[in-house]
Amino acid sequence: QKEVEQDPGPLSVPEGAIVSLNCTYSNSAFQYFMWYRQYSRKGPELLMYTYSSGNKEDGRFTAQVDKSSKYISLFIRDSQPSDSATYLCAMRNTNAGKSTFGDGTTLTVKP
Amino acid sequence: DVKVTQSSRYLVKRTGEKVFLECVQDMDHENMFWYRQDPGLGLRLIYFSYDVKMKEKGDIPEGYSVSREKKERFSLILESASTNQTSMYLCASITGMNTEAFFGQGTRLTVV
Repeated sequence: QKEVEQDPGPLSVPEGAIVSLNCTYSNSAFQYFMWYRQYSRKGPELLMYTYSSGNKEDGRFTAQVDKSSKYISLFIRDSQPSDSATYLCAMRNTNAGKSTFGDGTTLTVKP
Repeated sequence: DVKVTQSSRYLVKRTGEKVFLECVQDMDHENMFWYRQDPGLGLRLIYFSYDVKMKEKGDIPEGYSVSREKKERFSLILESASTNQTSMYLCASITGMNTEAFFGQGTRLTVV
């Protein structure tokens, strides 16, 4: 079983919808949780970063971490066609720089 | 802005060739990583380096080696390219505080 499982998608929503992207994990040592956005034929770019449990909001994006359930989510409000991309969750423990990634969820927001 | 630059966007090589993928970062980061990305398999770590001349195996190092002679440059070497190494290769660089990774644009390698 993989250390990080991500809802596979693909996901297709109309413009303006609220999008929920989710990952579960098995390694309780993970302390840093990231969401990356990857446009087609580009490298991933960091979207949200959270340390330990809790919520973090940045504009239309909210990241949630529930360490007790080993579950993280990314919410996108008022989704736009420009949000169409693959979203990757990633996690890291406190001692190493290497991250473990989910497989990614491809999102399409239709005008 | 941090820049992580990979030497090629697209590369086509023949089976058995020795292939060099170069990555350069301009922010004096200690930690650098090589991943490959395949559909359905996500990003898998090949090798990483915490300092010059230091290297650590990742999850799938077989068939690969790396070189870190200078802090800003991390090279991935395919000793004898095979068709199953056809993939998107991504280099990443991380700050000393280990908070976030900056990725290059990726090199799409095709081995024929």
